[in-house]
Amino acid sequence: QVQLVQSGAEVKKPGASVKVSCKASGYSFTGHYMHWVRQAPGQGLEWMGWMNPNNGGTNYAQKFQGWVTMTRDTSITTAYMELSRLGSDDTAVYYCARETVGGNNFFFDLWGQGTVVTVSS
Amino acid sequence: DIQMTQSPSSVSASVGDRVTITCRASQGISSWLAWYHQKPGEAPKLLIYGASTLQSGVPSRFSGSGSGTDFTLTISNLQPEDFATYYCQQTKSFPITFGQGTRLEIK
Repeated sequence: QVQLVQSGAEVKKPGASVKVSCKASGYSFTGHYMHWVRQAPGQGLEWMGWMNPNNGGTNYAQKFQGWVTMTRDTSITTAYMELSRLGSDDTAVYYCARETVGGNNFFFDLWGQGTVVTVSS
Repeated sequence: DIQMTQSPSSVSASVGDRVTITCRASQGISSWLAWYHQKPGEAPKLLIYGASTLQSGVPSRFSGSGSGTDFTLTISNLQPEDFATYYCQQTKSFPITFGQGTRLEIK
């Protein structure tokens, strides 16, 4: 079954770090870039960056440069997103999303179920 | 960054109605546009990519058009499962950006 399954909800204190995992199955993990998108409560979608599972290359949104790290473990077809120095405005649902290329375009055709991260003292 | 502006922010409609949502990019993005919808508590789901190509498995009552800066998503013969929030997304340049969303509610 083609799917992305993310790790469970996290509660963190301000200043801490969080690492969210995204387990891919049913397709070639190294054949598709993996993106991360977050959604604050009641808000829209915010793109954070992508990771190339084939070689570990990354491209982060400027806003997140210096405090997000996207990695992978190809042996277990899992992508990770670590966000450091958490603040209350990092409370959000974090999604991984598979990129697929088609028709001279690319798009996110497969999403994880989301991981709720709550930052609270 | 390319700003994506959707209108309306919310719309009320009835089952069987036809609804159109628009998305405007702050600069030309050719056809590097996708549409998603999202139901409460769920992840977004891809509907259309390349501005007008229907994703496999998506009902034909969904259609998209446009190029450059102005795009539309049309939903014909609204069904109960279509009531959700709709987002446009540009992938022409980084950072990838989304519209603010259009909430489609039952009248």
